Amino acid sequence: SSELTQDPAVSVALGQTVRITCQGDSLRSYYASWYQQKPGQAPVLVIYGKNNRPSGIPDRFSGSSSGNTASLTITGAQAEDEADYYCNSRDSSGNHHVVFGGGTKLTVL
Amino acid sequence: EVQLVESGGGLVKPGGSLRLSCAASGFTFSNAWMSWVRQAPGKGLEWVGRIKSKTDGGTTDYAAPVKGRFTISRDDSKNTLYLQMNSLKTEDTAVYYCTTDLDEIYYYYMDVWGKGTTVTVSS
Repeated sequence: SSELTQDPAVSVALGQTVRITCQGDSLRSYYASWYQQKPGQAPVLVIYGKNNRPSGIPDRFSGSSSGNTASLTITGAQAEDEADYYCNSRDSSGNHHVVFGGGTKLTVL
Repeated sequence: EVQLVESGGGLVKPGGSLRLSCAASGFTFSNAWMSWVRQAPGKGLEWVGRIKSKTDGGTTDYAAPVKGRFTISRDDSKNTLYLQMNSLKTEDTAVYYCTTDLDEIYYYYMDVWGKGTTVTVSS
């Protein structure tokens, strides 16, 4: 399958920990990458590979993977973390394509 | 500063054509694999296609909805990526982003994103 599935919406209380998940067959072979997108802005890479953060991304963002599920964890969520989050990986069907999850809207209460 | 700047978006009628450009700066463009990603209004991200560096063959891959209608090319002398869009449909209406592509053995990611250019297909 070339699909990645995400929950449409997740909420978290300010300062608490939240996990956003992404499921798909391709994740058995490849790590997911994660992108944050705020309204009216371009996406920003927050996690890639096993658990790598680009320069400038706070260390409260972390990634993990098990079987066909990848997770993005925000430990101590801040108000500025409210955004849409997308997972992404290479398609595992051998066609060299790229797939995105449908996105998760994170609300910080 | 690493930067991607898209241009060329606009309003076009169904069946029409448009060429988008993406000007790159701050990195060695000729070594980069590049992708186009689009986002329809109120919807999620959708990969459109990618082009490898010339040293890696310069080949292209396309998502099924655009294959045969869209063509990605690059001019390394101008540090510019292009997306030629033909036979446009209303469902091609979206913000189009160019991105840098990092394709490793066990992971893939899009490191740098432009701010996007808006394409509206409407009669």
